[in-house]
Amino acid sequence: IAGITQAPTSQILAAGRRMTLRCTQDMRHNAMYWYRQDLGLGLRLIHYSNTAGTTGKGEVPDGYSVSRANTDDFPLTLASAVPSQTSVYFCASSPGQGSYGYTFGSGTRLTVV
Amino acid sequence: GENVEQHPSTLSVQEGDSAVIKCTYSDSASNYFPWYKQELGKRPQLIIDIRSNVGEKKDQRIAVTLNKTAKHFSLHITETQPEDSAVYFCAASMSGGSNYKLTFGKGTLLTVNP
Repeated sequence: IAGITQAPTSQILAAGRRMTLRCTQDMRHNAMYWYRQDLGLGLRLIHYSNTAGTTGKGEVPDGYSVSRANTDDFPLTLASAVPSQTSVYFCASSPGQGSYGYTFGSGTRLTVV
Repeated sequence: GENVEQHPSTLSVQEGDSAVIKCTYSDSASNYFPWYKQELGKRPQLIIDIRSNVGEKKDQRIAVTLNKTAKHFSLHITETQPEDSAVYFCAASMSGGSNYKLTFGKGTLLTVNP
C-alpha cells in the first residue's frame, strides 16, 4: 500500500539518550518534512528536505538532525533528548514540482522523562 | 518567514449549522493555501486547497475563499454533521522553485453537537 510509514508508534525515552525516528515513503515524493505537534502550538516545522541529498532547517531545528541519503527515507535524530522534546512527531511528504499537498505519516508519540 | 494566524481556536455548533474558520497570512508571496482535518489520535489529512489564482473553491459541503488583497482565507462547512468534529488546520506556502514548505496555523477545534 503506497504511503508514508513512521516508526516507532510511541516511545518513552530517558533524558540524555539518543533516539532516531524513522520515516519511509514509497510514493517517490521529492520533498519530505518533520513537524512536531504540541497542544496549542499547532504543527511546527523541524527540518525539511526538498530532494534527496539536501536538507534545511525549519522553525524549531535545535536539538534535532536529519539526513536524506535517498528519496524514500528521512530519519530524524535527537542526539541527547530533553523533556521539552516530548511531543507528537509527524513526518510528511509532497511530490514537489507544482504539486504541494502533503501526505502525513501516522505520527510518533515521544515522551522524554 | 511566513506567519499564519487562525481563529477561532475553538468552535462549537449545532448539527446542521454552518461553521467558518478564518486565517490570515503575512507573506504576500504565498500562493498555496490548504486545509487539513485531524481527528483525535489520527494524522492530519488534506480536505481542500486553493491557489492564489482562484477566489473560491467548493467540494460538496466544504468551501474555501481567498482574499489576496487582505491576505486572508476562510474555510466554510455547511450542514455540519457530528463526524465533522475534529481539529482543522490552515496553512500557507510560497510554493515556487524548490520551496514547498507549509506554515500552519495553530488549529481550530470544531465540535458539532447532535
